[in-house]
Amino acid sequence: NAGVTQTPKFRVLKTGQSMTLLCAQDMNHEYMYWYRQDPGMGLRLIHYSVGEGTTAKGEVPDGYNVSRLKKQNFLLGLESAAPSQTSVYFCASSLGTRNQPQHFGDGTRLSIL
Amino acid sequence: EDQVTQSPEALRLQEGESSSLNCSYTVSGLRGLFWYRQDPGKGPEFLFTLYSAGEEKEKERLKATLTKKESFLHITAPKPEDSATYLCAATDLNNDMRFGAGTRLTVKP
Repeated sequence: NAGVTQTPKFRVLKTGQSMTLLCAQDMNHEYMYWYRQDPGMGLRLIHYSVGEGTTAKGEVPDGYNVSRLKKQNFLLGLESAAPSQTSVYFCASSLGTRNQPQHFGDGTRLSIL
Repeated sequence: EDQVTQSPEALRLQEGESSSLNCSYTVSGLRGLFWYRQDPGKGPEFLFTLYSAGEEKEKERLKATLTKKESFLHITAPKPEDSATYLCAATDLNNDMRFGAGTRLTVKP
């Protein structure tokens, strides 16, 4: 049982480049989330989805877009990367409401030069 | 504004030396208080959920408690394998979850 899988694990981009981070879960969870984790700060929610075909903004959505075309996948896009987006990105999923334990992937370490 | 504050930022213990980690929260109508463990290079791993003041949960050497203003994660007779960063998170009336910055625990043999 893989749980939550994130690809890629590491990536280096130049300012202005675009990329997509992929998250896949095999637990049939309805809810999925994208967070960023920066030193000295708690995990901050970027966007989330309450089901296939839905997306919603979190605490820090600017500069990011997301899509949930299939229930098991949640994509995070950076259209024009900026150095301020250098971070570790985590995807998570939960079974039902947002007030339930979340299952996390192992993160994508992204550096923007 | 909702806030979750964890203290201390870092804690070093000798093996067998019991201690507690603190998580203070100010959220509008707490719906749940969550504890996670995070190992270096890994994602957070769920430990406990507490829903009401007075509630306690235990797992091996860990015990989580909840009051109306804070939660504690008590670690009894820790072992080196308990070394990790411990995160707490709180959800409010709107089910918005806010994470603390974590406590980095090191247990020396």
